Amino acid sequence: NAGVTQTPKFQVLKTGQSMTLQCAQDMNHEYMSWYRQDPGMGLRLIHYSVGAGITDQGEVPNGYNVSRSTTEDFPLRLLSAAPSQTSVYFCASSYGGGAFSTDTQYFGPGTRLTVL
Amino acid sequence: KNEVEQSPQNLTAQEGEFITINCSYSVGISALHWLQQHPGGGIVSLFMLSSGKKKHGRLIATINIQEKHSSLHITASHPRDSAVYICAPRRNTGTASKLTFGTGTRLQVTL
Repeated sequence: NAGVTQTPKFQVLKTGQSMTLQCAQDMNHEYMSWYRQDPGMGLRLIHYSVGAGITDQGEVPNGYNVSRSTTEDFPLRLLSAAPSQTSVYFCASSYGGGAFSTDTQYFGPGTRLTVL
Repeated sequence: KNEVEQSPQNLTAQEGEFITINCSYSVGISALHWLQQHPGGGIVSLFMLSSGKKKHGRLIATINIQEKHSSLHITASHPRDSAVYICAPRRNTGTASKLTFGTGTRLQVTL
């Protein structure tokens, strides 16, 4: 199994550009999520999905869109990049994610994004 | 006040020392994860526990649900343990559970 994969690993954008961060998992996990990690702060949840066709917002969703058309893929779209979106982005997945879930989360290697 | 507090923020130890990292949280949880973030940035889940104690090699994690506190211990520390250790309680919100993350404890183990 490849686990959780993310592409690209590094990306530089100009303000106003759009792009999609890719995330895929091959473990048949229902729950997938996107986090951003900024210096001095804990990881923060952007969006999550409890299964194909179902997505919901996390604590910092503004400026990002997601979709979940398949169990395997969970892309994160930046609509109009801003310098405040400079961060490291992690995708994660787990078998379940419902209330009271105790499943282990598996993280992708991260995407380092810089917005100029 | 943050929902998750870790201490210490930074820790330097000599090889062989016993290390303790503490995590306090203020939210109701279903489980708590301890994560390790390597210098290269990758994040690995070390433990997921909902009660009591778990041990894996030189690592031991404990949790006291009533006191909302968890600890991660490393016995006989080694330079390869140098990393950032992150506490992540898993809280319940409606139909889904979500992780809340501490800011991490940066551990450096020297020879």
